Amino acid sequence: AQTVTQSQPEMSVQEAETVTLSCTYDTSENNYYLFWYKQPPSRQMILVIRQEAYKQQNATENRFSVNFQKAAKSFSLKISDSQLGDTAMYFCAFMLINTDKLIFGTGTRLQVFP
Amino acid sequence: NAGVTQTPKFQVLKTGQSMTLQCAQDMNHNSMYWYRQDPGMGLRLIYYSASEGTTDKGEVPNGYNVSRLNKREFSLRLESAAPSQTSVYFCASIILGTANQPQHFGDGTRLSIL
Repeated sequence: AQTVTQSQPEMSVQEAETVTLSCTYDTSENNYYLFWYKQPPSRQMILVIRQEAYKQQNATENRFSVNFQKAAKSFSLKISDSQLGDTAMYFCAFMLINTDKLIFGTGTRLQVFP
Repeated sequence: NAGVTQTPKFQVLKTGQSMTLQCAQDMNHNSMYWYRQDPGMGLRLIYYSASEGTTDKGEVPNGYNVSRLNKREFSLRLESAAPSQTSVYFCASIILGTANQPQHFGDGTRLSIL
């Protein structure tokens, strides 16, 4: 069975600084996708970034980037130039190809301070 | 564009009462999902439906039933609500076989059982 672990229940960062959220996962499969979702206080689930396991290049979306280490089964999220609007819960998620079922980690609550 | 619509947004029930949570999507997606979100637990899959007329159990199906009567709608029913089912419930949808695309989530239903 696949599992996703987020070992940081809470993190904080000052505005304009950089923060990295950790995620590790466990699977014996080779073909899968990884996602980071953001959940602000409004409770919406918003996709931040996704990574295909077969791609070696790390995904980047504006201020958000990942460090994907397939051998180590690690998928961390880096937020650069943090903004107050980045304050939210962040969930790492895993999906095997051809299953369409997401497996979520327990989340990291990020607080951005002015 | 409505996306994924959940009703109601809030509900309070007494133990033993029954209730159906409604979910509808207008994106012509094949697959639909019901998750529950509890503090410190992330999102856990209750049931999912890969296509109209089919449903399968997820991680935490006990105490729930689902119905996928047509492609648009996927309902979740609590036959005899228990306090342990107090949670925030999310419905999501995706086109089958496009795992590199994000699941689209509804805004959630906050359910309290007294």
